[in-house]
Amino acid sequence: EAGVTQSPTHLIKTRGQQVTLRCSPISGHTSVYWYQQALGLGLQFLLWYDEGEERNRGNFPPRFSGRQFPNYSSELNVNALELEDSALYLCASSLSSNQPQHFGDGTRLSIL
Amino acid sequence: QQQVKQSPQSLIVQKGGISIINCAYENTAFDYFPWYQQFPGKGPALLIAIRPDVSEKKEGRFTISFNKSAKQFSLHIMDSQPGDSATYFCAASMGSSNTGKLIFGQGTTLQVKP
Repeated sequence: EAGVTQSPTHLIKTRGQQVTLRCSPISGHTSVYWYQQALGLGLQFLLWYDEGEERNRGNFPPRFSGRQFPNYSSELNVNALELEDSALYLCASSLSSNQPQHFGDGTRLSIL
Repeated sequence: QQQVKQSPQSLIVQKGGISIINCAYENTAFDYFPWYQQFPGKGPALLIAIRPDVSEKKEGRFTISFNKSAKQFSLHIMDSQPGDSATYFCAASMGSSNTGKLIFGQGTTLQVKP
C-alpha cells in the first residue's frame, strides 16, 4: 500500500512569491492534515481537511491556505512568501477524523 | 496549556541499553498520545500510541508508560540498537473534541552507540 505522497520534494523560492504544495493521501483516507516543521520550532499544525471541507486551522496567517479535492488529495498554498516560511511542510492523512495520522516525507521549501 | 514538554533534547545510549524519553502536558482534555520516529530526510512515522484509560502499552521493544495523575507519559526503548538512532516526538490531541490537531513536543535526538 502506498503511503502519503508529497510533491515536489524540494522547492526554492524568493520573498514575495507564491507556492503550491501537493499531497496524495493513503488510499481510503479521507482526512488530510498539513504541518510546518521549521528549524527550532518543531512541528506546528497548519490545516485539516476532511471530506473536502476545511475543519480546523492552526495559528498561521491567512496567506496560508489550501483545499481538498473530490479524490481527497490536497494542496497547500502560501502567498507572499517570507524568509521565515522556510521549512519542511508535512502532509498527513488518516482513515477518518480521530484516527491515527500517517505522514509523508514532506516538501522542503527554501526562501531566498 | 496547549503545550507538550519533551525531555531530554538529546540522548546518547549504548547498544543494548534502555532509552527513556519523557513528556508532560497540562491540558487534561488531551486523550490521545502518539509517539513518532523521524529519520533524517523522512517524515515522522507513527511508532506507538496510548489513550488515558491504560497505564502502559507495549509493542515489541517499545513501551509507553502513562501517568494520568502526574500528566506525564514516557517512551521506553528496550535493547536499543544503532538503527533506533533518530528523532523522537511525543504528541497529544483532543480526540473527543475532534480538532484534528496533534500538538507535538520539541523532539529528542537519540544516538545509539555500537
